[in-house]
Amino acid sequence: GAGVSQSPSNKVTEKGKDVELRCDPISGHTALYWYRQSLGQGLEFLIYFQGNSAPDKSGLPSDRFSAERTGGSVSTLTIQRTQQEDSAVYLCASSRAGTLDNEQFFGPGTRLTVL
Amino acid sequence: SQQGEEDPQALSIQEGENATMNCSYKTSINNLQWYRQNSGRGLVHLILIRSNEREKHSGRLRVTLDTSKKSSSLLITASRAADTASYFCATYSGYALNFGKGTSLLVTP
Repeated sequence: GAGVSQSPSNKVTEKGKDVELRCDPISGHTALYWYRQSLGQGLEFLIYFQGNSAPDKSGLPSDRFSAERTGGSVSTLTIQRTQQEDSAVYLCASSRAGTLDNEQFFGPGTRLTVL
Repeated sequence: SQQGEEDPQALSIQEGENATMNCSYKTSINNLQWYRQNSGRGLVHLILIRSNEREKHSGRLRVTLDTSKKSSSLLITASRAADTASYFCATYSGYALNFGKGTSLLVTP
């Protein structure tokens, strides 16, 4: 596609429910990243995929958070038993390769609100 | 953890004026990137400057890098109302980009 797309754009859920957030990276980009942006914490790295594997998942805040990527393309970020502190904008980015001199292209984000 | 810290936190100028934002970082880097974010949503990549470069231009943007001081600056010349946004510097730590808290720029007509 022309850019990184994410769905849904907004998600409101009740505390304790599970949510799934989707990211479609730019075609041909092998590296995919998830970040979270909240008022108190700024932009935080969550997880990095190279192809379908995740060499770095160090930013996932708890075991309620998981992510997968299939076919080297679409990725889903799942948050189980959501808590109010999970409320944030979840941003996905992709780049041509997971090297340290590539720009990352960001999607528009999913705004998650946990009531 | 945040690697970069932008200064000032907020900046308000009039159209046509120049805007300068600064960024400081803590560890050695291969490159430093600047991003813009409108309305708290997706980030747009502006420019990447490598550690062996001192200055780089892109349109109305000018970025400098001083690795001895671990600092960078972003200059936007002849600003426009459409430049109103938050601006972040970012450096790699492992595979992740670490972002500062950003400078919020307001350009008034």
